[in-house]
Amino acid sequence: QVQLVQSGAEVKKPGASVKVSCKASGYTFTSYDINWVRQATGQGLEWMGWMNPNSGNTGFAQKFQGRVTMTRNTSISTAYMELSSLRSEDTAVYYCARAITMIRGAPMGYWGQGTLVTVSS
Amino acid sequence: QTIVTQEPSFSVSPGGTVTLTCGLTSVSVSTTYYPTWYQQTPGQAPRTLIYSTNTRSSGVPDRFSGSILGNKAALTITGAQADDESDYYCVLYMGSVWVFGGGTKLTVL
Repeated sequence: QVQLVQSGAEVKKPGASVKVSCKASGYTFTSYDINWVRQATGQGLEWMGWMNPNSGNTGFAQKFQGRVTMTRNTSISTAYMELSSLRSEDTAVYYCARAITMIRGAPMGYWGQGTLVTVSS
Repeated sequence: QTIVTQEPSFSVSPGGTVTLTCGLTSVSVSTTYYPTWYQQTPGQAPRTLIYSTNTRSSGVPDRFSGSILGNKAALTITGAQADDESDYYCVLYMGSVWVFGGGTKLTVL
């Protein structure tokens, strides 16, 4: 079965960067896009961007352009999301989510368990 | 900036039917936006219910259905159960980016 296992909680200071990992299993990692979505406490879901694990191509929400990087290591079926210049408003649970089909632009279908990132001085 | 709109809250009686909607501030929602619906309970990751307007995700019971109603996407729950009490989010594909609605808190009482 499809599983996405994310790295553990992080605490970072303002201005620092955080890198969250998402290890995939149960399917061919390079065949489905990976999206990243975040959720601040008590707030709604916010789409950050996508990555094609085969090509490494990425696309981001305008809000995160220049501050987010999405990469992968195909040898270990793991995707990464790095967010830089952290501020308190970036405190949130970050989810990786695999596309539900192989079609480019397919919606998020399978979700990781989430990683809490806390930004605090 | 395009805003995806959802009702902030809704209530339904056990066994009843409820329709939640997902709209856009400036244009009508159509199938070309591939409306997708998620259910989320506190502390849990979202669960995918419906994608591409009306396709149920694996394991989702057929009392959840998706459609286009008028100028909005819609999620209909028939025979509501107590454990349907959750937050529901829609997301729309806006030409290479996905945009979530603010979510609807559904109460079953």
